[in-house]
Amino acid sequence: QSVLTQPPSASGTPGQRLTISCSGSSSDIGSNTVNWYQQFPGTAPKLLIYTNNQRPSGVPDRFSGSKSGTSASLAISGLQSEDEADYYCAAWDDSLDGWVFGGGTKLTVL
Amino acid sequence: EVQLVESGGGLVQPGGSLRLSCAASGFTFSNYGMNWVRHAPGKGLQWVSYISDSGHTIYYADSVKGRFTISRDNAKNSLYLQMNSLRAEDTAVYYCVRESKGGGYTYYFDYWGQGTLFTVSS
Repeated sequence: QSVLTQPPSASGTPGQRLTISCSGSSSDIGSNTVNWYQQFPGTAPKLLIYTNNQRPSGVPDRFSGSKSGTSASLAISGLQSEDEADYYCAAWDDSLDGWVFGGGTKLTVL
Repeated sequence: EVQLVESGGGLVQPGGSLRLSCAASGFTFSNYGMNWVRHAPGKGLQWVSYISDSGHTIYYADSVKGRFTISRDNAKNSLYLQMNSLRAEDTAVYYCVRESKGGGYTYYFDYWGQGTLFTVSS
């Protein structure tokens, strides 16, 4: 069971805007910044959003992140078929002295 | 170009040991904290261990504490994970991951290796 809670699946149609939630606690998201990773089957995860809402170079601005209290969200606007992947949130946990991940959300573009 | 190349995966019997290695290139290895993250079949990502740039600060996930040992050799640009008393639930793809620092006390995993798979089975 993951420390951070994400919906196991999400789906949308091309062009739609979709959000993926990530819920934590005061010791992880409540105290530290949130990062998001994108993973395609059989490949290594890739950094998608860091420090709650920053995009690394090369990540389309269709992807955005936000954080409020002990929860965070990843938003994808103008959904595209190539966005089909697994998405994970992560944060440092001060009480565990370690990184914690969400269980991952499998995104399907219908 | 940043590269992280893991090696050492394979098949191990329960209770056995294995050492994973990660060869880093394309950046000043001694300036970065490093992590091991694993991905078990059909499950989500799980952080395993962290080692600071100097090697002086180390953290482990509770599930591997006392069984796994992370280390690094900055002269060889290499990261290691010694795994003992292996269990079936340790079966996973293991990723070598670079940790970068953002503004203030913010950190994130910016580069991942391609991963190495090992299976614990009799």
